[in-house]
Amino acid sequence: EVQLVESGGGLVQPGGSLRLSCAASGFTFSSYWMSWVRQAPGKGLEWVANIKQDGSEKYYVDSVKGRFTISRDNAKNSLYLQMNSLRAEDTAVYYCASTYRSYSSSWEMGYWGQGTLVTVSS
Amino acid sequence: QSALTQPASVSGSPGQSITISCTGTSSDVGGYNYVSWYQQHPGKAPKLMIYEVSNRPSGVSNRFSGSKSGNTASLTISGLQAEDEADYYCSSYTSSSTPGVFGGGTKLTVL
Repeated sequence: EVQLVESGGGLVQPGGSLRLSCAASGFTFSSYWMSWVRQAPGKGLEWVANIKQDGSEKYYVDSVKGRFTISRDNAKNSLYLQMNSLRAEDTAVYYCASTYRSYSSSWEMGYWGQGTLVTVSS
Repeated sequence: QSALTQPASVSGSPGQSITISCTGTSSDVGGYNYVSWYQQHPGKAPKLMIYEVSNRPSGVSNRFSGSKSGNTASLTISGLQAEDEADYYCSSYTSSSTPGVFGGGTKLTVL
């Protein structure tokens, strides 16, 4: 059974940093594009970043470029999101997701974690 | 990058069919057959319902179907059931160097 478990969320002050982790199991992690998607309270989904199987390609939404870094450790079946210079508007539930099919080029997100809440407030 | 455009809400009675539209541009929806649809119940993670415009993942009911014409993709749900009441989001691959884009979401109410 595919499982994605996020951790690392919490309350942080504006300008602060946080590192999210996503532990994957039940599938060959190294064969899947991985993504971070966030959802602000009462709002819609926003695709934050994604990373290719070997980490050679990474894409970010404009609003986080230069502040967030996505990475992965295939040996540890783990995905990460380093978030720096956090702002109030980064407050959201952050989901980790994998594509539905291995080596998929269409980036459909077939498996999702339960999400971890990040709150940026003083 | 701009979000894809979806109606804020749609409604239908049990047994009826509804269609949710998702309008983008030639740089996303119109340029690629990489449109996906997600269902999200309150407090839950999204669930993939359709990928690559019209493909259903294993386990998804065949009451859900997808299509595309030009820059607009559509999700049709036939034989509406109470459990279909949820928020629905479309997403698409995009030619810009970004991870992809979502629609603003559509709240489906089953009357």
